[in-house]
Amino acid sequence: SAVISQKPSRDICQRGTSLTIQCQVDSQVTMMFWYRQQPGQSLTLIATANQGSEATYESGFVIDKFPISRPNLTFSTLTVSNMSPEDSSIYLCSVDSVSYGYTFGSGTRLTVV
Amino acid sequence: QKEVEQNSGPLSVPEGAIASLNCTYSDRGSQSFFWYRQYSGKSPELIMSIYSNGDKEDGRFTAQLNKASQYVSLLIRDSQPSDSATYLCAVTNAGNMLTFGGGTRLMVKP
Repeated sequence: SAVISQKPSRDICQRGTSLTIQCQVDSQVTMMFWYRQQPGQSLTLIATANQGSEATYESGFVIDKFPISRPNLTFSTLTVSNMSPEDSSIYLCSVDSVSYGYTFGSGTRLTVV
Repeated sequence: QKEVEQNSGPLSVPEGAIASLNCTYSDRGSQSFFWYRQYSGKSPELIMSIYSNGDKEDGRFTAQLNKASQYVSLLIRDSQPSDSATYLCAVTNAGNMLTFGGGTRLMVKP
């Protein structure tokens, strides 16, 4: 399956600041996905990132708050902007490998204080 | 109504027993079905995928799909303490987006 390197693994941030999370895949993939997992909850899709086009956001998520870049077929970033304590979550990137299904990065545990 | 529903548990089974995890989904157009295992503090790990009605076996794991009943299940035979985790059911729709259930926490007691 695809190997995804995600960083940072964790961070503690001040409210009002921004954090950029990076995901690097070891193979070219068309679609990359960004998820949020709030404490004790399941995964919620934030957006889908295709190379060369604007990301597609799910209901409840907006580009100003969660800007996404997808400069090539192996890399994507998610920025959590103007953070508040409610943004404290685990953020995960994922890719869909045709042969192996959806694979996840190791996650970024974000705490906003 | 949630699109993918699971009993949150915890489901407690003794070591060596069969653990049965269930999932229902609302979208009849769903194409693919997955079971992920997530240990506390870790990211989800794919353990089974199933695409057509019936059973699919892989080692101690068996996935069962019934599209008419919109039901998918995961059986874990000879459960081990190391199987203790949260199991997430996930379903793709026609747009190929993954939707997750809330997860079932499994506890296997020695």
